[in-house]
Amino acid sequence: QVELVESGGGVVQPGRSLRLSCAASGFTFSRHSLHWVRQAPGKGLEWVAMIWYDGSRKYYADSVKGRFTISRDNSKNTLFVQMDSLRAEDTAVYYCTRDSRLDSSGYHFDYWGQGTLVTVSS
Amino acid sequence: DIQMTQSPSTLSASVGDRVTITCRASQSISGWLAWFQQKPGKAPKLLIYKTSSLESGVPSRFSGSGSGTEFTLTISSLQPDDFGTYYCQQYNDYWTFGQGTKVEIK
Repeated sequence: QVELVESGGGVVQPGRSLRLSCAASGFTFSRHSLHWVRQAPGKGLEWVAMIWYDGSRKYYADSVKGRFTISRDNSKNTLFVQMDSLRAEDTAVYYCTRDSRLDSSGYHFDYWGQGTLVTVSS
Repeated sequence: DIQMTQSPSTLSASVGDRVTITCRASQSISGWLAWFQQKPGKAPKLLIYKTSSLESGVPSRFSGSGSGTEFTLTISSLQPDDFGTYYCQQYNDYWTFGQGTKVEIK
């Protein structure tokens, strides 16, 4: 069965960096585009970033552009997001989620991980 | 950017009630709309995609409809397990979520 497991969250000071990982299993990882979506405490869902199945295209929300970098290792079935220059407003649960379309993107999100909490605080 | 607006923000209904949640897009999204259910402390769960397609394993009491910029999620007969927050999401142009509708069981 499809499984997405995030890790790497924790408490970090403003201005510092953190890298999150999402380990995938149960499907052909290299054929699906993937996203990061976050949810601040008590708030709604916010799309953060997306990477194509082959890593050739990447897109970011304006709120993180220039500070976050999404990447993937198709040989290790793992998705990453490098988060630099972190701010208090980046505090959230970060979910990885799968685009349902094969060898493309722009379709609905069908599977989600359980999320990992990032707290940016001094 | 496409903005998504849900209404109501909160609703309280009894078991067996018919419940409708509305989602409006700031421009046409060509039917590329999904609905998710989220329970406290859990990841969102896909219910509906492409406006009205029911995800496998989702009870048939959930249905979606709409076109252009206005869409609805309907629960035909509310069940105790249906509490939670519901989000619409457009995927026509990047990806945007509505602000959520919290459903409480009376």
